[in-house]
Amino acid sequence: NAGVMQNPRHLVRRRGQEARLRCSPMKGHSHVYWYRQLPEEGLKFMVYLQKENIIDESGMPKERFSAEFPKEGPSILRIQQVVRGDSAAYFCASSPRQGPPEGYTFGSGTRLTVV
Amino acid sequence: KQEVTQIPAALSVPEGENLVLNCSFTDSAIYNLQWFRQDPGKGLTSLLLIQSSQREQTSGRLNASLDKSSGRSTLYIAASQPGDSATYLCATPRGSQGNLIFGKGTKLSVKP
Repeated sequence: NAGVMQNPRHLVRRRGQEARLRCSPMKGHSHVYWYRQLPEEGLKFMVYLQKENIIDESGMPKERFSAEFPKEGPSILRIQQVVRGDSAAYFCASSPRQGPPEGYTFGSGTRLTVV
Repeated sequence: KQEVTQIPAALSVPEGENLVLNCSFTDSAIYNLQWFRQDPGKGLTSLLLIQSSQREQTSGRLNASLDKSSGRSTLYIAASQPGDSATYLCATPRGSQGNLIFGKGTKLSVKP
């Protein structure tokens, strides 16, 4: 079990481009959470997904950000028309069930730099 | 609204010293509390998870305690080593959905 896999590890985008971040949960985990870590800030929750469902997107910016977790394949966090303020580390975590988890497993993150 | 605070933001100690990292939370009705370690440019590594019914958890040189009534958790590191240098984060789930609320972390530096 390779753990939670995120790719790419580093991503550079010019302002206005699209960024796609991928997260493959641990084997047997069907719940995925995305977090963002801005420079000098703590991790902030963005969105919680199960297969083919968005359960809670209360932490997602209203515009330009979207997430999906299809029946097959990784979860995708998509940022359209990126701006400098989107530069951050994006982490995903997975768990085997809903509710207070027995512990999260995090990926190594994707560090997005917008130039 | 649950808020998680970690003090101090940074800590520097000489090798071999025992140390305590602090985590406080405003809503005592937590399900559990998890301590993580984050190395520069890396992801999060889970260190210890304390359920709400537990008072402490131990793993090697690490011991985490939980006092819900006072809204505090501590991470005790015994006989610190330079390899312990990292940022330590605490987090607790937001209600039943489980998404975590994080503190901003304590950046620990252990000097040889």
